[in-house]
Formats: sequence, structure tokens, C-alpha cells
Amino acid sequence: AQTVTQSQPEMSVQEAETVTLSCTYDTSENNYYLFWYKQPPSRQMILVIRQEAYKQQNATENRFSVNFQKAAKSFSLKISDSQLGDTAMYFCAFTDTGRRALTFGSGTRLQVQP
Amino acid sequence: EAGVAQSPRYKIIEKRQSVAFWCNPISGHATLYWYQQILGQGPKLLIQFQNNGVVDDSQLPKDRFSAERLKGVDSTLKIQPAKLEDSAVYLCASSLVPGLASNEQFFGPGTRLTVL
Repeated sequence: AQTVTQSQPEMSVQEAETVTLSCTYDTSENNYYLFWYKQPPSRQMILVIRQEAYKQQNATENRFSVNFQKAAKSFSLKISDSQLGDTAMYFCAFTDTGRRALTFGSGTRLQVQP
Repeated sequence: EAGVAQSPRYKIIEKRQSVAFWCNPISGHATLYWYQQILGQGPKLLIQFQNNGVVDDSQLPKDRFSAERLKGVDSTLKIQPAKLEDSAVYLCASSLVPGLASNEQFFGPGTRLTVL
């Protein structure tokens, strides 16, 4: 069974600074997909960024980028130029090519301070 | 484009009562998921539908939970009878293309259930 671990329950960052959220996972699959989802307070969960395991290049989406280390089974999210609107719960998630449903980590609560 | 709709947004019931949640996915989305999110945890899959067929219900407590997706569109999730440990947010999500693992899932606002 696949597992996803987020070891940072809470993090805080000053506005305009950079923060990195950690995620590790365990799987015996060779091809799979990793995601970071954002869940703002009392709002819907939305996709931030996704990474395909067979692609060595790290995904980027504007201020969001990942550091994907397949051998280490590590998938961290870097948020540059943090904004107040980045305050949210961030979930790392995994899916293999067969199952399609997401396996989530326990989340990291990020607070951006003005 | 309208998002995933869920109702009710909040529900408070006594233990041993029954409750039902409704989800309307994004139009045209073939796959629908129900997740349970207990406070302080990540969402956990309860059941996955593709059109009106069940793909995965391995983590659904079938002695008390049931779900259906009639006509491959709307879905209802029922709990009968509810237990205290069922207190959670129930999230519905949908995705467009069946069988595409990289497919983005779009989430509804969730139903927050409190069992007293």
C-alpha cells in the first residue's frame, strides 16, 4: 500500500519570503503521479502543482515549484515570494496509474505573516 | 464553468441517526470520488465511481455507509446508523477523463458532519 508522509504539521513564513514544505512517500510502483493540493480556510481544495514520476524535470507553476527526488521518494514544494493568500493547509498526494484515487498526507498548515 | 456542488454544507445529528449527503459533479466528468476528512488528517477515499459503476469501495465501511450514483451524474452518500467517529468533512470530487491518473480532481466545498 502506498503511504504519504508530511512531517511538518505547521509552518510559518514572512510575506515575500520563500518556504519549503516536505513530503515523502512509499511505493513499489515505478510510474505514478504526485500532487500538491491547497485547502484555504473554509474554502475548497484546489490543485497547486503536479509531477509525473517518469519526468526528471521538476514541475513549476509560477511561484510554486517542486523538488522531486525519485530515488529518495521525496517531493517537496517550494513557494517563492509568499503572499498572504498562500495561507492554507497544503496536502501532498499520490496516485499510481492503476488506482487513480488520491492517497493524501496529513497536511501542513502554512501561515503567511504580514 | 460551475464547480462541484455539495449539500448540505453542515449537518449535526445524534448517534444512531441516519444522514445523507448529495454531490453534483462538474458536467461531463466521468469519475466521482467521495473522501472522508477527519479533523487534522488528510482526506481518505471512501468510494470511487466511473460513470455509474463502482471502481473502488475497498475502504467504505459497508455495514453503515452506502453510496450510489444514478445515471452517472449526481451521487448520494448515506450513513446509517451514524457513530461518533463519523464526525468529519465529507468531500466530493470529480475528474474528467476515466483512467487518466494525472487527471486533476476538482473538489466540492464539503459537508461537515458532527455526530453527538
